[in-house]
Amino acid sequence: GENVEQHPSTLSVQEGDSAVIKCTYSDSASNYFPWYKQELGKRPQLIIDIRSNVGEKKDQRIAVTLNKTAKHFSLHITETQPEDSAVYFCAASLGGNNRLAFGKGNQVVVIP
Amino acid sequence: DAGVIQSPRHEVTEMGQEVTLRCKPISGHNSLFWYRQTMMRGLELLIYFNNNVPIDDSGMPEDRFSAKMPNASFSTLKIQPSEPRDSAVYFCASGLAGGNEQFFGPGTRLTVL
Repeated sequence: GENVEQHPSTLSVQEGDSAVIKCTYSDSASNYFPWYKQELGKRPQLIIDIRSNVGEKKDQRIAVTLNKTAKHFSLHITETQPEDSAVYFCAASLGGNNRLAFGKGNQVVVIP
Repeated sequence: DAGVIQSPRHEVTEMGQEVTLRCKPISGHNSLFWYRQTMMRGLELLIYFNNNVPIDDSGMPEDRFSAKMPNASFSTLKIQPSEPRDSAVYFCASGLAGGNEQFFGPGTRLTVL
């Protein structure tokens, strides 16, 4: 089955700096890669996603890049703000169905 | 749109009791997913439905867990009998079959004493 791993498990950045979280997956048939943000005590919220026919996607301060050959994709957050502090989960679709395999999450701490 | 609705938001029960968690997916969505989240195991998919039909229940931990989706706007996850190790946050998510996006409900925090 699909194995999704995230690195690093915890990331601390100074406010205003950039944060990058990397995710690797194992199933070459995966074609959809979302990122979710979960604040303490809240639900995971979809913040950005990318499909396998695209290499990069941006939405304001966040972007996702995909390298299908190497089977990894990354979340980039620029000009970080305290409200970006949360746990970020990556996921990858499983083969041809609409299941998602989730990583264990990255704790991002933005230091004011 | 109200988003995915779950009830109750918090449940505290004693070991051996039956627990029923409820979910209303986003109107128009025809895929529904039940997840369990713990610190140790992260987000685990328990079961999912497409068009009210269970497609994959391989994540259901034991026979004590069962899920139903009697119609397009309602699903239940039942644990009978409950055990302390079932304590977790249970999320319901919905999406479109054939699509990939999943939208999560607020979750039910279950504590089994």
